[in-house]
Amino acid sequence: GAGVSQSPRYKVAKRGQDVALRCDPISGHVSLFWYQQALGQGPEFLTYFQNEAQLDKSGLPSDRFFAERPEGSVSTLKIQRTQQEDSAVYLCASSLALATGMTEWENTIYFGEGSWLTVV
Amino acid sequence: GQQVMQIPQYQHVQEGEDFTTYCNSSTTLSNIQWYKQRPGGHPVFLIQLVKSGEVKKQKRLTFQFGEAKKNSSLHITATQTTDVGTYFCAGGPGGGADGLTFGKGTHLIIQP
Repeated sequence: GAGVSQSPRYKVAKRGQDVALRCDPISGHVSLFWYQQALGQGPEFLTYFQNEAQLDKSGLPSDRFFAERPEGSVSTLKIQRTQQEDSAVYLCASSLALATGMTEWENTIYFGEGSWLTVV
Repeated sequence: GQQVMQIPQYQHVQEGEDFTTYCNSSTTLSNIQWYKQRPGGHPVFLIQLVKSGEVKKQKRLTFQFGEAKKNSSLHITATQTTDVGTYFCAGGPGGGADGLTFGKGTHLIIQP
């Protein structure tokens, strides 16, 4: 597709419920990122994939959060036993870039519209 | 870990006035990127700065990267209502797009 696609756009989950958020990056993009954005705050890094390899998951807040990108394209962020503090917008982003030495256009991160999660 | 701080958090200006937001990192950055997020929207890439002391312009927007590569600024001349939104800087310790740390953003509110 033309841009990064995320689904669902909106999700209301009951506390304790599991949720799965999907990200379809721009075709051919090597890097994929998940960010969490609370209301009025900047995006907080969760995890980073280079193709199917999860190179950095240091931002995942707890072991209830799990991300995968098994074939190096579509990614899923799963949150188990959701808590109210998980309520946020989950942003997926992709980039053509590899880690170093890239020009600006290869380095640009393209964000999806986000999945708005509300835990009640 | 790396911290990126932005000031001010909120800025109210009259339409036509200038606006500046500042970004400071606790560590030396390899590059800094700027994003704009409209209310209810997602961050949209504006520009990347890589070189020490670099200055880039996009129409009414001027971006600077400090000599020490630890700070940056975005200046908008003669603001327009279309400039409303939150401006984020994001810095990377490594090259490329990985490892970006976002600031909390500056919310620009414009009064006509």
